[in-house]
Amino acid sequence: KAGVTQTPRYLIKTRGQQVTLSCSPISGHRSVSWYQQTPGQGLQFLFEYFSETQRNKGNFPGRFSGRQFSNSRSEMNVSTLELGDSALYLCASARQGRGTDTQYFGPGTRLTVL
Amino acid sequence: DQQVKQNSPSLSVQEGRISILNCDYTNSMFDYFLWYKKYPAEGPTFLISISSIKDKNEDGRFTVFLNKSAKHLSLHIVPSQPGDSAVYFCAAEGGSQGNLIFGKGTKLSVKP
Repeated sequence: KAGVTQTPRYLIKTRGQQVTLSCSPISGHRSVSWYQQTPGQGLQFLFEYFSETQRNKGNFPGRFSGRQFSNSRSEMNVSTLELGDSALYLCASARQGRGTDTQYFGPGTRLTVL
Repeated sequence: DQQVKQNSPSLSVQEGRISILNCDYTNSMFDYFLWYKKYPAEGPTFLISISSIKDKNEDGRFTVFLNKSAKHLSLHIVPSQPGDSAVYFCAAEGGSQGNLIFGKGTKLSVKP
């Protein structure tokens, strides 16, 4: 079956702009989580969506937001971009996203903020 | 404050030998631990997991050991192969939020 897909794979933006990233989960998966990966901080949890509702949120400012559609596809938005937002943004899907339910990651979107 | 720590940023091992990757955690509420492997330009791939009610889980060449009293887990790869060269992330689940918390990763290089 098809894996998690993320678009676009690469993005270059300038400070102050906003960006929207997209994630399509594995068919049948209802949980989508977003992570930010940077060399200094590793993988950090942004938020999780389940059945179109944000179920969990990490410690990121309000400039980072997301949503999930009825087909479980999810988008992440970052407004007023800062240089420090340059990172690899990963999304992961799971059937239910709880307990021993394995998360499957997409290839990521590499965002560069100039 | 880092709840999941991988103190070795890199590890180099000879092909055929054992690779041991270590991970420490601070939150005693964590009840499920996972290892992910990541190649460049790809997302992390699930490798192996262990529940807090167990102290060992084995899958082929990969074995994860959990020492709850020391809040420590390790991943053993035997024998190591050049294709195992990747960044390995330890992750924990449980606690108040329920999401995965990752360590910063250990870059494993297996030399032929």
